[in-house]
Amino acid sequence: QKEVEQNSGPLSVPEGAIASLNCTYSDRGSQSFFWYRQYSGKSPELIMSIYSNGDKEDGRFTAQLNKASQYVSLLIRDSQPSDSATYLCAVKYSGAGSYQLTFGKGTKLSVIP
Amino acid sequence: SQTIHQWPATLVQPVGSPLSLECTVEGTSNPNLYWYRQAAGRGLQLLFYSVGIGQISSEVPQNLSASRPQDRQFILSSKKLLLSDSGFYLCAWSVRRGREAQYFGPGTRLLVL
Repeated sequence: QKEVEQNSGPLSVPEGAIASLNCTYSDRGSQSFFWYRQYSGKSPELIMSIYSNGDKEDGRFTAQLNKASQYVSLLIRDSQPSDSATYLCAVKYSGAGSYQLTFGKGTKLSVIP
Repeated sequence: SQTIHQWPATLVQPVGSPLSLECTVEGTSNPNLYWYRQAAGRGLQLLFYSVGIGQISSEVPQNLSASRPQDRQFILSSKKLLLSDSGFYLCAWSVRRGREAQYFGPGTRLLVL
């Protein structure tokens, strides 16, 4: 069974610090990796996608992928109180049913002013 | 640009009553469509997905059903609601093929009393 694991948190960081969120996945045949942000009471919003090993930067966000170790991470630099949300890791597996995503349960981030 | 709509935003229904939630997508053709449920404090659970008109796949046995009468319309239904059907219902779309992400609508919050 394909699984995506995240630390549920809460992860608390002071304003201006770097927040580091981690995710591991079970199936080596994965092809696409995504990070979603979900504010309380709202729907998930895509913030990053990554497909190749290495780092991908977008503003204050950096996604890191290591397929050999089967983990993907999200770094948030200069964290702001508005970054306080639950962050969902999602993985798209190759093969039959490859249009489906498997989601982790999310890590709750709290940025303290 | 693509837009996804869901309605109603909030719904309170008695046990045993019927349900109909609607989702429509604008700005794209031939999308894959998905229904998810997110119960309080839990992760996203895929309920149904559709790769075309009239094509519905169910992921979880339950008293819910889905239909896709038009290319960009996806409907979630129930003949008799259970207390356990309470939750946050999310519709999502993705392109038909490829490695791209899913994009979520604003969701419907359902409370069954």
